[in-house]
Amino acid sequence: GENVEQHPSTLSVQEGDSAVIKCTYSDSASNYFPWYKQELGKRPQLIIDIRSNVGEKKDQRIAVTLNKTAKHFSLHITETQPEDSAVYFCAASYTNAGKSTFGDGTTLTVKP
Amino acid sequence: NAGVTQTPKFQVLKTGQSMTLQCAQDMNHNSMYWYRQDPGMGLRLIYYSASEGTTDKGEVPNGYNVSRLNKREFSLRLESAAPSQTSVYFCASSDKSNQPQHFGDGTRLSIL
Repeated sequence: GENVEQHPSTLSVQEGDSAVIKCTYSDSASNYFPWYKQELGKRPQLIIDIRSNVGEKKDQRIAVTLNKTAKHFSLHITETQPEDSAVYFCAASYTNAGKSTFGDGTTLTVKP
Repeated sequence: NAGVTQTPKFQVLKTGQSMTLQCAQDMNHNSMYWYRQDPGMGLRLIYYSASEGTTDKGEVPNGYNVSRLNKREFSLRLESAAPSQTSVYFCASSDKSNQPQHFGDGTRLSIL
C-alpha cells in the first residue's frame, strides 16, 4: 500500500520568513496530493491541493510543487505570519483507492 | 450548509461500556471516513466507506465497528471501551478518494 513520509516533524521560523514542508510517497499510481492545516483544537481543513498533471500550484502565500519522478511534493509558505502556526498534513491518493494516506504532520511555529 | 456533523462533541465512558459515534454529511459525498487522533499525533484511519454499502478496515480497526447506514450517515461503534481508545475522533467525507476530504469538528472521547 501507499506510504507517505513527511519532514520535518517540527519547524520554527521567524515571522516573515519562508517555510517548506516536504512529503515523499511510494505508490506511483498516486495522482492527488492535498495539504491540510489543523489549528489547535480544530478540525483539519484543506488549504491547497495538486494533481499529477501539473508541477506547481499557487494560492497567494502558499504553493505546492510536485516531482513525480522523485515521488515527492512540498508545501511552501512565504511571508509567514503568526496565524500560520498550526499542524500541516500532507496526503496522497489515487482514483479508486478508496482512501487517502496521510503523513504524520508538521507542527509549524511562527515566532513574532 | 452544515457539511459534516458529528455527535456527540464530548463523551466520558467507563471501561467496558459501549457507545456509537454518529456522523452525517449533507454534501452528497460517496466516501466517508473515521480517524482517531491522539494528543500530538497524526490522523490514523480506523475504517472507511468508499461508497454506500461498502466498508473497509483502515490502519487501526481493532475494537471498532462501523455502519454505513445510508449515503449520508456513517457511524462508529465501540463495543467494549478501553482506556487506550481515549482520543479525538474525526469523521470526514469526500466525493471520491482523490477529492478533498471535509472533516467534522470531532468527538472528544475519554475512557476511564
